[in-house]
Amino acid sequence: DIQMTQSPSSLSASVGDRVTITCRASQSINTYLTWYQQKPGKAPKLLLFTASSLQTGVPSRFSGSGSGTDFTLTISSLQPEDFATYYCQQSYNTPRTFGQGTRVEIK
Amino acid sequence: QVQLVQSGAEVKKPGASVKVSCKASGYTFSNYGISWVRQAPGQGLEWMGWIGAYNGNTNYAQKLQGRVTVTTDTSTSTVYMELRSLRSDDTAVYYCARDRGAMDVWGQGTTVTVSS
Repeated sequence: DIQMTQSPSSLSASVGDRVTITCRASQSINTYLTWYQQKPGKAPKLLLFTASSLQTGVPSRFSGSGSGTDFTLTISSLQPEDFATYYCQQSYNTPRTFGQGTRVEIK
Repeated sequence: QVQLVQSGAEVKKPGASVKVSCKASGYTFSNYGISWVRQAPGQGLEWMGWIGAYNGNTNYAQKLQGRVTVTTDTSTSTVYMELRSLRSDDTAVYYCARDRGAMDVWGQGTTVTVSS
């Protein structure tokens, strides 16, 4: 199975900050990398697919980059509604595997 | 609109089985696969398995092999996930999601509680 490792596990940031979350795959997954946002008590929401493609309706302050084994999710200017947990997931093969999540908290 | 609607919460005893449904609407059902993902309380996301709605092919997480079965009823655009021999650590919220590589549409989640 492909292992997905996110860092950090949690972070504290202020509104307006630039935030970067990293996801590393245990083997190359090309660009088969997806990012989700999850708020408490809600289903995950798709943010970006194929590493850098923004899902329809997702604000442009979210961006993704990377290929192979190393990927990043960047929020250019953190907004109050962005405080949530973020997960990466590989779709290179099955089993689909998720990172352990990064919780973004208010500083 | 495109949506997945899941069945309601379940409470089961250890050793029992649970079957959760996921009804799709607003898109051509046979054009996409459906994955099942679960989330134990306070934990991350765990992929359980996938079914191709167009051909019924399935793929399961190895740790659940033999206990989980995902089926589809194309006449009602519904996918079912059955989990058998339930244990306390199966207590979780279970989600279905339309899977095109990325999971772009999610059900609302079904809470399954396993308790004696």
